[in-house]
Amino acid sequence: GENVEQHPSTLSVQEGDSAVIKCTYSDSASNYFPWYKQELGKRPQLIIDIRSNVGEKKDQRIAVTLNKTAKHFSLHITETQPEDSAVYFCAARGGANNLFFGTGTRLTVIP
Amino acid sequence: KAGVTQTPRYLIKTRGQQVTLSCSPISGHRSVSWYQQTPGQGLQFLFEYFSETQRNKGNFPGRFSGRQFSNSRSEMNVSTLELGDSALYLCASSASGGGTGELFFGEGSRLTVL
Repeated sequence: GENVEQHPSTLSVQEGDSAVIKCTYSDSASNYFPWYKQELGKRPQLIIDIRSNVGEKKDQRIAVTLNKTAKHFSLHITETQPEDSAVYFCAARGGANNLFFGTGTRLTVIP
Repeated sequence: KAGVTQTPRYLIKTRGQQVTLSCSPISGHRSVSWYQQTPGQGLQFLFEYFSETQRNKGNFPGRFSGRQFSNSRSEMNVSTLELGDSALYLCASSASGGGTGELFFGEGSRLTVL
């Protein structure tokens, strides 16, 4: 089955700096890659997703890039703000049509 | 539109007992997935139900089971509880399922096994 690895597990940045979270996947048939944000004590929520026929997608301060050849995808957050502090999960939809999540990155934005 | 509702929110059980958790999806959503969340392990896929049929299953022992009713509500059951089953169990509903489209998560059921 699919195996998703996510790095780093924790990340601290100064407010206004950029943050990058990287994920790799194993199943070459994977074709859908969402990112979820989970604030402390709250439920995960989708923040952005990308499909395998697209290399990059942006939504305001958030962008995701996908390299199918290398089987990795990344989340980029620019001009970070304290409200960006949360745990971020990447995920990949494998050939068996399951959504597999990474182990999460705890992002702390220091004011 | 009401969100995904999970009950109970918190529960404490002892080893060897069994537990049933309930999930009511967003109205109109036919897919319900269950995930186990533990520190350091992220969200691990348990199973997905779509129109009362289990469509996919993760790599969990047979002690973990589930079902879905005709109104799309789903239950998961864990029998012969072990200490390692302590976790936050999240369910998520989606319109299409199969790992595509947005998952809408509930707030979770936090299970503590003593």
